[in-house]
Amino acid sequence: EAQVTQNPRYLITVTGKKLTVTCSQNMNHEYMSWYRQDPGLGLRQIYYSMNVEVTDKGDVPEGYKVSRKEKRNFPLILESPSPNQTSLYFCASSWGSYNEQFFGPGTRLTVL
Amino acid sequence: DQQVKQNSPSLSVQEGRISILNCDYTNSMFDYFLWYKKYPAEGPTFLISISSIKDKNEDGRFTVFLNKSAKHLSLHIVPSQPGDSAVYFCAANHNTNAGKSTFGDGTTLTVKP
Repeated sequence: EAQVTQNPRYLITVTGKKLTVTCSQNMNHEYMSWYRQDPGLGLRQIYYSMNVEVTDKGDVPEGYKVSRKEKRNFPLILESPSPNQTSLYFCASSWGSYNEQFFGPGTRLTVL
Repeated sequence: DQQVKQNSPSLSVQEGRISILNCDYTNSMFDYFLWYKKYPAEGPTFLISISSIKDKNEDGRFTVFLNKSAKHLSLHIVPSQPGDSAVYFCAANHNTNAGKSTFGDGTTLTVKP
């Protein structure tokens, strides 16, 4: 089954404790992205990647890091999480800019 | 600045009637537009898209219209069904910035039986 998986689905952590949210896709997609969804603000792109070792900043990259060492994986790293990073996070993948994105089920992160 | 705007946070329609969801954009470089639907506790799923070289695209009950001069697109759902109740996001891409995707804030559609 074609899918995007994210782990964990739910995470409660404390300020400053480094964490990684994993994302994996099995569709051999070139493009992958991370978004956060906050009430009234829609989906905002954090980082995106066009291929292995090619990443770029989205609209809200501050406080986040990503890496794309393999085509199927695109982890999101929060080196020192803060309460304003409490949000619902989605990973997505696609063939390209002129193709639809496939989204993961989301990761709800709470930073205390 | 918000480059993609959905000015109606919510919309309520009766089952069987038409639902019209609107989206405005400001960046004239956008050349591909998509609509996604999102149910609670799930990720968004793709609904329909349109290229800037077209002004209409149809897929079953869903039609997207694009007015480039007004920088406006709309999603029509006919007839609306209770299962269409969800949050709808419009998104815009442009090939000169491959990988970048800009979403609106979403419109919550409620279809009443």
